[in-house]
Amino acid sequence: GAGVSQSPSNKVTEKGKDVELRCDPISGHTALYWYRQSLGQGLEFLIYFQGNSAPDKSGLPSDRFSAERTGGSVSTLTIQRTQQEDSAVYLCASSLAGTALAKNIQYFGAGTRLSVL
Amino acid sequence: SQKIEQNSEALNIQEGKTATLTCNYTNYSPAYLQWYRQDPGRGPVFLLLIRENEKEKRKERLKVTFDTTLKQSLFHITASQPADSATYLCALGSRRGSTLGRLYFGRGTQLTVWP
Repeated sequence: GAGVSQSPSNKVTEKGKDVELRCDPISGHTALYWYRQSLGQGLEFLIYFQGNSAPDKSGLPSDRFSAERTGGSVSTLTIQRTQQEDSAVYLCASSLAGTALAKNIQYFGAGTRLSVL
Repeated sequence: SQKIEQNSEALNIQEGKTATLTCNYTNYSPAYLQWYRQDPGRGPVFLLLIRENEKEKRKERLKVTFDTTLKQSLFHITASQPADSATYLCALGSRRGSTLGRLYFGRGTQLTVWP
C-alpha cells in the first residue's frame, strides 16, 4: 500500500481482556514507531523498532504492553489484561531512518481507537 | 528529561491573517525540529523540517524559524484559510545513536481560522 495501515480502526474490549493492534508500515521503511494519544493529549512514545529489534522501548507503560516486529515489516502491539486507562488512540508511524535527516520524517497511520469498558 | 511546550492550546484567527505558533523546549539540544499537522481522526502529517544550523525554512505559505539560543521554533502560516484549521505539533529530533530517528512531540496547538 501507499501509506501506513493500521487495523483494526476501532476496538472495543472488556477490562481484563487482551488486545492486539497491527501496523503495516510503508514498504522499505526500516524504522517503525508506536505512540499513544489520549483525548486532548500529545503523542506519548511507546516503542521504536529498527528492523526487527527494538533499541528503545522506554515508553512502554507497564509489562502488560509488548510489541514485536517480524520480517522487518509488520508490527503487533499487544496489551494484556486491559485496563480502562489504556483507552486511547494508538498510532503507528514508519520512516526510512538513518543518518540523513530527511529519512527521519515519520509517516503515520490513522490509528486504532481502543475503548476499554 | 526534555520538555516541550507549545503556545496556548488553541489559537483562533481570522482568514487572511498570519498565524504564529510557538514551540519552546528545555533540557534538550535537538539535531533538528519538525512540524506536523493533525486533523481529527487522522494521524499527523509531516509539514516541514529545519536543522539546528538553519535559521529559517519556507514552503509555500508556511515558514519555520529555529533559534537554538532561545530554544524556540516559530511556525507561521501566512494568508491563512479555514482549511488550515487543525492541530499543529512540533517535534524534536534526537541526535543520539540509539534513538536516532526518534521524535519527541509537543502536545500541539489547535488552530481555528474563521471566515
